[in-house]
Amino acid sequence: EVQLVESGGGLVQPGGSLRLSCAASGFTFSSYWMHWVRQAPGEGLLWVSRINSDGSRTNYADSVKGRLTISRDNAKNTLYLQMNSLRAEDTAVYFCARGGTKNGFWGFDPWGQGTLVTVSS
Amino acid sequence: EIVLTQSPGTLSLSPGERATLSCRASQSVSSNYLAWYQQKPGQAPRLLIYGASSRATGIPDKFSGSGSGTDFTLTINRLEPEDFAVYYCQQYDNSPITFGQGTRLEIK
Repeated sequence: EVQLVESGGGLVQPGGSLRLSCAASGFTFSSYWMHWVRQAPGEGLLWVSRINSDGSRTNYADSVKGRLTISRDNAKNTLYLQMNSLRAEDTAVYFCARGGTKNGFWGFDPWGQGTLVTVSS
Repeated sequence: EIVLTQSPGTLSLSPGERATLSCRASQSVSSNYLAWYQQKPGQAPRLLIYGASSRATGIPDKFSGSGSGTDFTLTINRLEPEDFAVYYCQQYDNSPITFGQGTRLEIK
């Protein structure tokens, strides 16, 4: 079964740091682009970042550039999101999602169950 | 940035009816890079349609996508109770990847 499982969320103070993980199974992780998407309470979906299959290319939403860093360990089938200088507006459920391969894009599928990050004093 | 505008914001229909959801882009989107997702409360989004009109694995044929350029449509036939949810369109043509604000499909 193709599966993504996030972990690492929690309560953090403004200015603090957190590292999210997304463990992948059931597919060849090293072949796929991977993404992080977040959803603030009661709000819609916001794409955060993506990384290519070998980790050499990354992109970020302007709102997180310079504060959040995406990375991956293909040997461990795990995607990461290092979150620094966190702000109240970063409070959200963070989802990881599988993207496309070098051969094409077929939507974000699957998604993990999400992990909640709350930034508050 | 490509802005996706979904309409209506909320759609109230009865089971058995047909739902038509619209997604309009601020600039042309390659049909290869337009997707639709369904999200139920407390759950992750689920991919329904990719490439504007291709159904994802396991998605019943009551769901269909169409459109090109700047105007895209998701149609859901014969609404069932489990279809009432929030639906999002997404474009992957240009960076940053963007989502529409969502259409809430509610039971009338």
